[in-house]
Amino acid sequence: QITLKESGPTLVKPTETLSLTCTFSGFSLTSNPVAVAWIRQPPRKALEWLAIIYGDGDKRYSASLKSRLTITKDTSRNQVVLTLTNMDPADTATYYCAHLIASIYYFDYWGQGTLVTVSS
Amino acid sequence: EIVLTQSPATLSVSPGERVTLSCRASQSVNNFLGWYQQKPGQAPRLLICDASNRATGIPARFSGSGSGTDFTLTISSLEPEDFAVYYCQHRINWPFTFGGGTKVEI
Repeated sequence: QITLKESGPTLVKPTETLSLTCTFSGFSLTSNPVAVAWIRQPPRKALEWLAIIYGDGDKRYSASLKSRLTITKDTSRNQVVLTLTNMDPADTATYYCAHLIASIYYFDYWGQGTLVTVSS
Repeated sequence: EIVLTQSPATLSVSPGERVTLSCRASQSVNNFLGWYQQKPGQAPRLLICDASNRATGIPARFSGSGSGTDFTLTISSLEPEDFAVYYCQHRINWPFTFGGGTKVEI
């Protein structure tokens, strides 16, 4: 059974760096057919894909946020970490991590999401 | 970046009705288009892969069609639990973008 869960701060100040952790179970992020992505959703708005990391370590980033994003994995802990620098109120959103497998190449399992508010 | 435009933004319907949602891509995505359902306070749930393939456990009342730039999600007979927001997403290349969503409301 695949599960994912996001954790991290619920409130950050403008200009600070956000670090979110996705802790997963039910799969191993050590081979390429599997990946974990981060997707966010501002309140009452649509979904926005941010970054993805594959089992072989390959990474992709949203072009509009690439300079501010870093995604890493810790396979021993079954965790994926997303950092987003220079936070702005426009970054207020629910942040989801999601599982992707190359056999279908869609996000088939999602975490519950964590709401991050950016405010001074 | 491929832009996905969903229409209508909101659809007001009654249980039992047939519902058709549209997703249009700014350039061809072949058949690499999926659909998700999101209920309030929940994460999205994958419904359809590659235009017309139902994901595991998805009821047969959900069906998808289309190719190239124009796609449709159809719910044959709306159940009370189907009132939600529906998103399309392509996977032809990075970034995998999502549409703006269609809200299906009573």
